[in-house]
Amino acid sequence: ETGVTQTPRHLVMGMTNKKSLKCEQHLGHNAMYWYKQSAKKPLELMFVYNFKEQTENNSVPSRFSPECPNSSHLFLHLHTLQPEDSALYLCASSPPGGTGTGPLHFGNGTRLTVT
Amino acid sequence: GENVGLHLPTLSVQEGDNSIINCAYSNSASDYFIWYKQESGKGPQFIIDIRSNMDKRQGQRVTVLLNKTVKHLSLQIAATQPGDSAVYFCAENIWGGSEKLVFGKGTKLTVNP
Repeated sequence: ETGVTQTPRHLVMGMTNKKSLKCEQHLGHNAMYWYKQSAKKPLELMFVYNFKEQTENNSVPSRFSPECPNSSHLFLHLHTLQPEDSALYLCASSPPGGTGTGPLHFGNGTRLTVT
Repeated sequence: GENVGLHLPTLSVQEGDNSIINCAYSNSASDYFIWYKQESGKGPQFIIDIRSNMDKRQGQRVTVLLNKTVKHLSLQIAATQPGDSAVYFCAENIWGGSEKLVFGKGTKLTVNP
């Protein structure tokens, strides 16, 4: 149990589909993150939210749309994805004060396959 | 530039031996470093961290060493067990316009019984 729960664990979608990934953290943190993990590549930061406000968009294509309704929940809305978007999408949370304050806590990810 | 890398992509050890996983970083202004363990089918799990004002920190069976002179970070695992088999990532906290955590590619550790 990591304190960060992601659903679904696996998702297969066609390029014309619309789907959403969900993340919930039970750690009382105020910062939440989306990362993309592709094979043989370092984790890539996608988005950062601090106190529900987006503070970082790491040049992510608009077919990925994040939403943070409160400090405990984070969504990633997906539409018209490409096969190269297939990857493990990881959600993380951390205490307020920036990434230097303390370690990020990760969920177990959603394995996304785009067909 | 931002570059957190690893000296070896894979490491194989015998159960009971000590393991050393290395990481090189390029940003001398990085102030905080973290080691993560990622098992198959799971997300990265925090192991240990160290701040730039320290050169060594110990946890349970793990030790992190930081050499700022050569910008090198290492993770030592004592008495390695089969359950330690995983991919290990180092990460550095960089200040460059905005603060961000940059991850290395990872070292796959295999522990042979």
